[in-house]
Amino acid sequence: AQTVTQSQPEMSVQEAETVTLSCTYDTSENNYYLFWYKQPPSRQMILVIRQEAYKQQNATENRFSVNFQKAAKSFSLKISDSQLGDTAMYFCAFMIMIYNQGGKLIFGQGTELSVKP
Amino acid sequence: SQTIHQWPATLVQPVGSPLSLECTVEGTSNPNLYWYRQAAGRGLQLLFYSVGIGQISSEVPQNLSASRPQDRQFILSSKKLLLSDSGFYLCAWNPGHSLSPLHFGNGTRLTVT
Repeated sequence: AQTVTQSQPEMSVQEAETVTLSCTYDTSENNYYLFWYKQPPSRQMILVIRQEAYKQQNATENRFSVNFQKAAKSFSLKISDSQLGDTAMYFCAFMIMIYNQGGKLIFGQGTELSVKP
Repeated sequence: SQTIHQWPATLVQPVGSPLSLECTVEGTSNPNLYWYRQAAGRGLQLLFYSVGIGQISSEVPQNLSASRPQDRQFILSSKKLLLSDSGFYLCAWNPGHSLSPLHFGNGTRLTVT
């Protein structure tokens, strides 16, 4: 079974500091993608960053970066210079191919991040 | 550009009443379409996905069903709602034959009373 585990239900960080959100996953597939999504209070799902499993280089998107450890099946998100607007629920997810027709996205339970002024 | 529309935004329905939530995608063809449910602000549970017209895969056996009558239209239905059907329902799409990210609609908040 494919599973995603986020072991930190809630986290808080001071504005301008750095925070790391943890994520582990379990799959027997070799071809998959990993994602972090953000859900602010508006509940809109927003893509933060993506990582292809075949790439060794960690993805970076402005203040957001990941630490991808394929052997350990770990995919953490680091947010640098935290801003008040980063306050949101963060979901880790991975996608596997469905019979070569598309992707099936499986989510973790989320980490609620509060950025404090 | 591609857009996804989901409606209604909120819905309050009594137990035992039917349900129909609609989702449409514009600006693309042959998308993969998905229905997710989010309970109590936690993780998203995949309910149904579709890779083409009339092709529906169910992830969780339950009181709900899905249909795809047209290429860019995805409908979530129930004949008789249960209290446990309350939640936040999200429709999403991504290009067919790809591992690209999902693009989500704004969601429907369903309260079953």
